[in-house]
Parts: sequence; structure tokens; C-alpha cells
Amino acid sequence: GQNIDQPTEMTATEGAIVQINCTYQTSGFNGLFWYQQHAGEAPTFLSYNVLDGLEEKGRFSSFLSRSKGYSYLLLKELQMKDSASYLCAVEDSNYQLIWGAGTKLIIKP
Amino acid sequence: GAVVSQHPSRVICKSGTSVKIECRSLDFQATTMFWYRQFPKQSLMLMATSNEGSKATYEQGVEKDKFLINHASLTLSTLTVTSAHPEDSSFYICSASRGTGGPEDTQYFGPGTRLTVL
Repeated sequence: GQNIDQPTEMTATEGAIVQINCTYQTSGFNGLFWYQQHAGEAPTFLSYNVLDGLEEKGRFSSFLSRSKGYSYLLLKELQMKDSASYLCAVEDSNYQLIWGAGTKLIIKP
Repeated sequence: GAVVSQHPSRVICKSGTSVKIECRSLDFQATTMFWYRQFPKQSLMLMATSNEGSKATYEQGVEKDKFLINHASLTLSTLTVTSAHPEDSSFYICSASRGTGGPEDTQYFGPGTRLTVL
């Protein structure tokens, strides 16, 4: 079956760095998304990786290794507003989205 | 886990026809279902929120007469795109939550339906 794993919850300190991992087993791969979702709001697009490597976008970076079925989202200089759920989703061979359950990130002062 | 399915996974239709997309929560009761539209490799745009047995709440700019939403049971919501046009071609994603969609509710996302209007 198809499966996306990511930690349920993580806690980090304001100003620090946190890495949220996502591992996947899917029937084919056409890309991987990271979304940020604040409580009660719609998800916001953060990144889309198709090729292996690190893509940096300001304080957020996303890494992909297709051979390992692994991605991570790296958040630097954490701010209180980064407290949210982070969703990993993979496009399978049929371009369907397989979703992880999301990682709730708690930022403490 | 909480599984959400969508049917069909992809559909191609002619301009002017109507298309119905189903969203089902397979192993839980979904008080609230959300319909999103994803633009290519971008954010999800919330179209509407539906509560079982009530009329859907549409986001600003979404035509409720064009995108008909029905949430007749706790496990099924449908989105009907009426008189579809090529600009309606998109990837439609639903999500479901057990509660009323508030801050403490977790949304579980479906795999999406790709609509192509010729």
C-alpha cells in the first residue's frame, strides 16, 4: 500500500532550527509537496520537490532523496508564527496526492 | 487512521456538461468537509466548507450556482461543477474533519480529482 510517515508532533525553541522528516512508500513518484497549515485555516504551499537535493526559500528549505523515499523540511530562525501543522504530500504515478497525517510544530519562547 | 477517498480520480468532459465529484470519509464520520482547488504545483484555494445537513459556506469569489456542494451524510460530500468550461480544468481536493472545522480539528485530505474540460 501507499504510505507517508511524518512525526505527529515536534517542539522547538524560538530562534532555533527544526527539521521535519517525511518518508514515503508510494506507487510511483511525480513530486513531493510541503504545506503549512495554521489551525482552522487552509494549507499554504511551501515547496515542491521533483529532483533530488536541497531547495532553499528564505528561512525554509526542503530536501528530497528519491532513492531513499525521504524528504525533510528545514525551518531556520524559528518564529512564534511558525507554530502550525506541516503536511507532506506525494504525487504518485497517477498524479494523485498521498498525504501524511501532518506534523504539529510547537514553538516555545 | 482516517481515510478520505475521492471519485473519480480523473475525469475528462466536454464544455457545457456537468461533472460530479464525490468525497467520502471511509472510516470516520465527517461533520465538516472542505473543497479545495489546486492550481499547478501551488497552494490549495479553499472553495467552500460544508457541514452535514447544512448549506455550504462558499469563499468569496466562488460561484455557488456553478459549484454545487451537497453534504447529505456524515461520510459523503459531492461537488458538482455545472456547465463546465475549460477554465474549470483543475485538480480538486477535498478534506474532512470530525468536528466543525475549528482550530483543534484535524483535516484529512483526499487524493484529488483531476478535471479536464475540453
